Amino acid sequence: QQQVKQSPQSLIVQKGGISIINCAYENTAFDYFPWYQQFPGKGPALLIAIRPDVSEKKEGRFTISFNKSAKQFSLHIMDSQPGDSATYFCAASGEGGYQKVTFGTGTKLQVIP
Amino acid sequence: DGGITQSPKYLFRKEGQNVTLSCEQNLNHDAMYWYRQDPGQGLRLIYYSQIVNDFQKGDIAEGYSVSREKKESFPLTVTSAQKNPTAFYLCASSPRGFNEQFFGPGTRLTVL
Repeated sequence: QQQVKQSPQSLIVQKGGISIINCAYENTAFDYFPWYQQFPGKGPALLIAIRPDVSEKKEGRFTISFNKSAKQFSLHIMDSQPGDSATYFCAASGEGGYQKVTFGTGTKLQVIP
Repeated sequence: DGGITQSPKYLFRKEGQNVTLSCEQNLNHDAMYWYRQDPGQGLRLIYYSQIVNDFQKGDIAEGYSVSREKKESFPLTVTSAQKNPTAFYLCASSPRGFNEQFFGPGTRLTVL
């Protein structure tokens, strides 16, 4: 029940295209859903996050879509650029105080010119 | 500059030896975490600490130990009991009451 399932494992997108990464969760107590971006040899960094009271959040070219009834959320990267090539992790946790963060298994994105 | 530092970046150890990975933060964060990253498995929680002198086991604590004597420091010891220690180790911290985790640059441990 604590799992966060992420797909695809890897993704190749042409420059200017849309990258889409999907995640699904089971624990209905989760109410914070971040996405982290990790470049090779570096630690992950928070990219964008959403709470379940909204269905979509956009920051620049990055958008999270959230479907509470389906317990799914996804990251869309519009106008994908070679600099977006990285590994992306979705995650989920509860709200407030210390809450354990459960991470997906990661998606390695490659944007080709 | 505020942030999290991990040292060393690369670490080699002979089988059967204990090794300690350093993690220091100057963000004044209360909570600190250790994760292990393996290809295709995401980030798995080893230990976490919410306050000084207190820490809890995560999902894969066997073969690891930690201490939290200072708010700024959370070292991880990989003991000889850890059967498959070769991995990328990430330290993170977060402020009280917030979910966002701030990660260090990681230490890649290789057992020879």
